[in-house]
Amino acid sequence: AQKVTQAQTEISVVEKEDVTLDCVYETRDTTYYLFWYKQPPSGELVFLIRRNSFDEQNEISGRYSWNFQKSTSSFNFTITASQVVDSAVYFCALSDLQGGSEKLVFGKGTKLTVNP
Amino acid sequence: EPEVTQTPSHQVTQMGQEVILRCVPISNHLYFYWYRQILGQKVEFLVSFYNNEISEKSEIFDDQFSVERPDGSNFTLKIRSTKLEDSAMYFCASSADRELTPLHFGNGTRLTVT
Repeated sequence: AQKVTQAQTEISVVEKEDVTLDCVYETRDTTYYLFWYKQPPSGELVFLIRRNSFDEQNEISGRYSWNFQKSTSSFNFTITASQVVDSAVYFCALSDLQGGSEKLVFGKGTKLTVNP
Repeated sequence: EPEVTQTPSHQVTQMGQEVILRCVPISNHLYFYWYRQILGQKVEFLVSFYNNEISEKSEIFDDQFSVERPDGSNFTLKIRSTKLEDSAMYFCASSADRELTPLHFGNGTRLTVT
């Protein structure tokens, strides 16, 4: 069965620090997709990135970067020069393409607090 | 950018009452989903819907739940007789294809059962 582990429950940093959020996944699928979502205090789920299992290139988008390593089944997320607005819960998710449907399996989330 | 729209943003209901949560998916999307997040917990899959029928449902999605796409634009989740433990944030999502490319969520409906 698909499983996503976000071992860090809460992280607190001071503004401008870099922070890495860890995500480890388990799957038997050879083709799968990994996602990160941001949930700010207002509660909505904001899509950040989707990654195909065949594409191990790291990705950078502004202050955000993602490191995908199949060898360790990890898909870590780094925020460079963190800002107060980055404070949110961040969820890593894995696609489950079996069972006749397609759905996401979420980790428990990491609550990031960026202090001024 | 197109969005998934959910209404209402917050619904309060009494135990035993029926509620209908409404969603308007992105217009060219074909796959529709409901997820649930109990306060402070992870997001959990409830049901997926494609071609006017349920593709898959989780153990949470028991006989009290039903989904419908009544008019080709709305996608609804009905809870027949709400229980206290149904209190949660309910998210609707849609995608254009089976590979979840990508999966866009609505802003959620916070359901409070008293």
